[in-house]
Amino acid sequence: KAGVTQTPRYLIKTRGQQVTLSCSPISGHRSVSWYQQTPGQGLQFLFEYFSETQRNKGNFPGRFSGRQFSNSRSEMNVSTLELGDSALYLCASSPQGQGYTFGSGTRLTVV
Amino acid sequence: GIQVEQSPPDLILQEGANSTLRCNFSDSVNNLQWFHQNPWGQLINLFYIPSGTKQNGRLSATTVATERYSLLYISSSQTTDSGVYFCAVRDFGNEKLTFGTGTRLTIIP
Repeated sequence: KAGVTQTPRYLIKTRGQQVTLSCSPISGHRSVSWYQQTPGQGLQFLFEYFSETQRNKGNFPGRFSGRQFSNSRSEMNVSTLELGDSALYLCASSPQGQGYTFGSGTRLTVV
Repeated sequence: GIQVEQSPPDLILQEGANSTLRCNFSDSVNNLQWFHQNPWGQLINLFYIPSGTKQNGRLSATTVATERYSLLYISSSQTTDSGVYFCAVRDFGNEKLTFGTGTRLTIIP
């Protein structure tokens, strides 16, 4: 069965722009969560969605937002990009109450 | 929030050696996973192991939930085992994973 698919794989944006990243979970998985990985802060939780509802949000500014569609696909958006937003963004899906499977990630570079 | 500590931070071994990676966590958990991050950044799930022992080929893991630690064993290391290994936990009532800072394993041919 297909894994978690994230698009695009790489992205270069300019400071002040906004960006949208996409994540398609494993078929049947209704929980989708997002993580940011940077060399300085490690892997940090952004938010988690279940059945189109955000259930949990990490400690990130309001510039970071997300949503989940009825088919469980999820998008995250970062507005007014800053240099510090350069990171690997990872999406994970899971069936309720079980382990998480991660996608390949989107590597965002802000210049 | 829950704290996750991994040790050692770095490990350099000769091919064929065995290794043990440790993960300590500060509170009760209902999910613990071990991941291997490949050179392209993807987190590959090795074990979902909130308690007990599991084995998969040369890898095995044990979680002692009552003592709040987990161990990942790698036997007969190969160069392809190189990379960063992460432990991640989810505590009760929380739908998020908290990651440790990882163990960087380097296997020398």
